[in-house]
Amino acid sequence: DVKVTQSSRYLVKRTGEKVFLECVQDMDHENMFWYRQDPGLGLRLIYFSYDVKMKEKGDIPEGYSVSREKKERFSLILESASTNQTSMYLCASSGVRGRLDTQYFGPGTRLTVL
Amino acid sequence: AQSVTQLGSHVSVSEGALVLLRCNYSSSVPPYLFWYVQYPNQGLQLLLKYTTGATLVKGINGFEAEFKKSETSFHLTKPSAHMSDAAEYFCAVSGANSKLTFGKGITLSVRP
Repeated sequence: DVKVTQSSRYLVKRTGEKVFLECVQDMDHENMFWYRQDPGLGLRLIYFSYDVKMKEKGDIPEGYSVSREKKERFSLILESASTNQTSMYLCASSGVRGRLDTQYFGPGTRLTVL
Repeated sequence: AQSVTQLGSHVSVSEGALVLLRCNYSSSVPPYLFWYVQYPNQGLQLLLKYTTGATLVKGINGFEAEFKKSETSFHLTKPSAHMSDAAEYFCAVSGANSKLTFGKGITLSVRP
């Protein structure tokens, strides 16, 4: 079974803090994705990556950055957290670069910024 | 560009009744289509997917969906709802480079 894990289930941070969300997958997948989920808006893609040290912007990249130093790990960084970044963050991975395939999701991190 | 429309935000059915969750899509290329389910406080789990071939796709937990190209639809059905089906359901369409575009989701409630 594919396993995607996220470092925290719940996180509370203060405005202006730097926040790191970590995601690890154990299936040697090439593609990794970060989404945020908000009520009534569904899932929106923040960033994705096809390979180590590669990243591409999704639909809502503003206020976020990412890092992929190892194939199995994809980090989402909030450089200076703001209250409008309070949300559920979901990480996903899928198999081969550029190939349409099922995305497997982690359990999510619910981030609250005060 | 791809887009997904899931009309309504909430559907309520009685236990044992038919479940029908609607999904319409727009795609500039032949689509791959997915239904995911999210139980409370969990990530998304794949229910079923359509790639090519047979247009009626069967998934887990008794769900199925039919790809209708002429109607650009991929509606999700289950003949008899169970209390454990209560969850949020997302339809998604594939785009270029393995990206998915999701609908806004629909919450299914099941009444005893």
